[in-house]
Amino acid sequence: GQQLNQSPQSMFIQEGEDVSMNCTSSSIFNTWLWYKQDPGEGPVLLIALYKAGELTSNGRLTAQFGITRKDSFLNISASIPSDVGIYFCAGQNDSWGKLQFGAGTQVVVTP
Amino acid sequence: DTGVSQDPRHKITKRGQNVTFRCDPISEHNRLYWYRQTLGQGPEFLTYFQNEAQLEKSRLLSDRFSAERPKGSFSTLEIQRTEQGDSAMYLCASSFSNEQFFGPGTRLTVL
Repeated sequence: GQQLNQSPQSMFIQEGEDVSMNCTSSSIFNTWLWYKQDPGEGPVLLIALYKAGELTSNGRLTAQFGITRKDSFLNISASIPSDVGIYFCAGQNDSWGKLQFGAGTQVVVTP
Repeated sequence: DTGVSQDPRHKITKRGQNVTFRCDPISEHNRLYWYRQTLGQGPEFLTYFQNEAQLEKSRLLSDRFSAERPKGSFSTLEIQRTEQGDSAMYLCASSFSNEQFFGPGTRLTVL
């Protein structure tokens, strides 16, 4: 089973609003990754975080590696319709090793 | 397109049949991963290879599942005597660092 708790499970927002989601774990991770998945497709990597406390941006996306190494959050600013999808956090213990995923946050953006 | 490719994209089979999926990683990526994803969940790790060596297998990978990566390039995942519970999306990812890049997946439906 999955060890990561991702919340919220779903979000319905209006275009232009900001979105925040987070992921917590009972164990420490050395790397946090955030992915976006569209229906019927594989996950697409958005942001990778490597150090506790690290804050990284990719366009309108901002993610942080929690200082305890047991959590991470993702923020999307000024949402647009193409932000619709399911966002997954993933933690990694060993370099280049397996990823452990959260259950995902479904984002729906209405005009 | 130089991304991860998977074939077939969809497979419908009858219970008890054997199926085989193929994954072609990004060129020069020495690590290749297989994950399984069911509806409403994040991907779950199955196994991974560094070059041709299979380094880790999940307990999810029962005796009916076997994966190979001959010559350290493409990989195949075979499921023998399929069961309805095997219905899922099978995802392949490759990497040469912490960041894993996913293919589009193979959707398996077992009738």
